[in-house]
Amino acid sequence: QKEVEQNSGPLSVPEGAIASLNCTYSDRGSQSFFWYRQYSGKSPELIMFIYSNGDKEDGRFTAQLNKASQYVSLLIRDSQPSDSATYLCAFSGGSQGNLIFGKGTKLSVKP
Amino acid sequence: EPEVTQTPSHQVTQMGQEVILRCVPISNHLYFYWYRQILGQKVEFLVSFYNNEISEKSEIFDDQFSVERPDGSNFTLKIRSTKLEDSAMYFCASSWEGTYNSPLHFGNGTRLTVT
Repeated sequence: QKEVEQNSGPLSVPEGAIASLNCTYSDRGSQSFFWYRQYSGKSPELIMFIYSNGDKEDGRFTAQLNKASQYVSLLIRDSQPSDSATYLCAFSGGSQGNLIFGKGTKLSVKP
Repeated sequence: EPEVTQTPSHQVTQMGQEVILRCVPISNHLYFYWYRQILGQKVEFLVSFYNNEISEKSEIFDDQFSVERPDGSNFTLKIRSTKLEDSAMYFCASSWEGTYNSPLHFGNGTRLTVT
């Protein structure tokens, strides 16, 4: 059973702080990893994707991938109240690369 | 920016009725997907579609479900005889390639309520 594990939270950080979100996955053969943000009642919105070990930065967001440890993380710098949402980790698990999602970590950024 | 559009945004139906959920994927995308999310639970894969045929489906996608691309733009999910447990948000998604090389872009979803 291919699975993604995330701490459900809530993770609470003050405005301006760094939020750190973590995820582990079960499929050692997976090649592609994604972070989506989901506001309550809305659809998942792509934040970042990462294919290679190491760090990938995009604005305030940094994704980190360690395939040996089967671990992927998302750092959000200078957190804003508008970042308050559930963050979904996903990896390509099917033969056609269908995404398998974790349950998500709820982030709350306090002003 | 191009986006995936879904209609209707909310569908209420009685148990045993057929429903069709509609999606217009991003125009130059080749891979199409349906996912669902039961309230408070994780996003679950239902089916993927490429080159006018199903490429993969999950255990959830049983004989009550079907997908179709009736023309060059629409992609539909049909549930033949709805059950109470089919109540969920249904998300359509599309990608240029399979997710090994390109991310999924999701529509805004259809909230299906079965009474």
